[in-house]
Amino acid sequence: SQELEQSPQSLIVQEGKNLTINCTSSKTLYGLYWYKQKYGEGLIFLMMLQKGGEEKSHEKITAKLDEKKQQSSLHITASQPSHAGIYLCGADTADSWGKLQFGAGTQVVVTP
Amino acid sequence: DGGITQSPKYLFRKEGQNVTLSCEQNLNHDAMYWYRQDPGQGLRLIYYSQIVNDFQKGDIAEGYSVSREKKESFPLTVTSAQKNPTAFYLCASRPGLGSYEQYFGPGTRLTVT
Repeated sequence: SQELEQSPQSLIVQEGKNLTINCTSSKTLYGLYWYKQKYGEGLIFLMMLQKGGEEKSHEKITAKLDEKKQQSSLHITASQPSHAGIYLCGADTADSWGKLQFGAGTQVVVTP
Repeated sequence: DGGITQSPKYLFRKEGQNVTLSCEQNLNHDAMYWYRQDPGQGLRLIYYSQIVNDFQKGDIAEGYSVSREKKESFPLTVTSAQKNPTAFYLCASRPGLGSYEQYFGPGTRLTVT
């Protein structure tokens, strides 16, 4: 069974609009990682969250970790074409220490 | 420049043949990983190695083999026993166990016909 559930599976957003992606773990989280991938390429690291309530931002992307709910959200403000791609969350959990488990990914399409 | 290299970018093989995918890193990382990516399924862990001359099976190790003779190299062999080998393969490395980000290579797309 999937330890990390991502939602939505895909989304289409108009340029300039905001979007949010969620990642929920069925296990205790020790570290939560967000990556971005262009189709057919490797993963690019975005952010790492470790502490409950932690929030990090980089340019127009903000990620939060709600430890109590075992959930993280990735929020993009005023989306641009460069934000299009696949976003994946990865996690170190109690059962998978040392080997990152990944969600299925969220495909983001940004329209003009 | 430090990083992870995977070669080749595209690989084609006939069914029944073994094939080895290359992964090299010059980041001086102890841990290395192999993932398989299929459409809609995210990344699934094949094998990982925490130190030279040691490696462990991941979630989908059947039909694959690895070696870790050098710190910088972690080749993956896709054997003829792998029932559905066509996929995108990603190699990654990490400084060690613990909460560190993983660095990924550019991937190899393997097509078996």
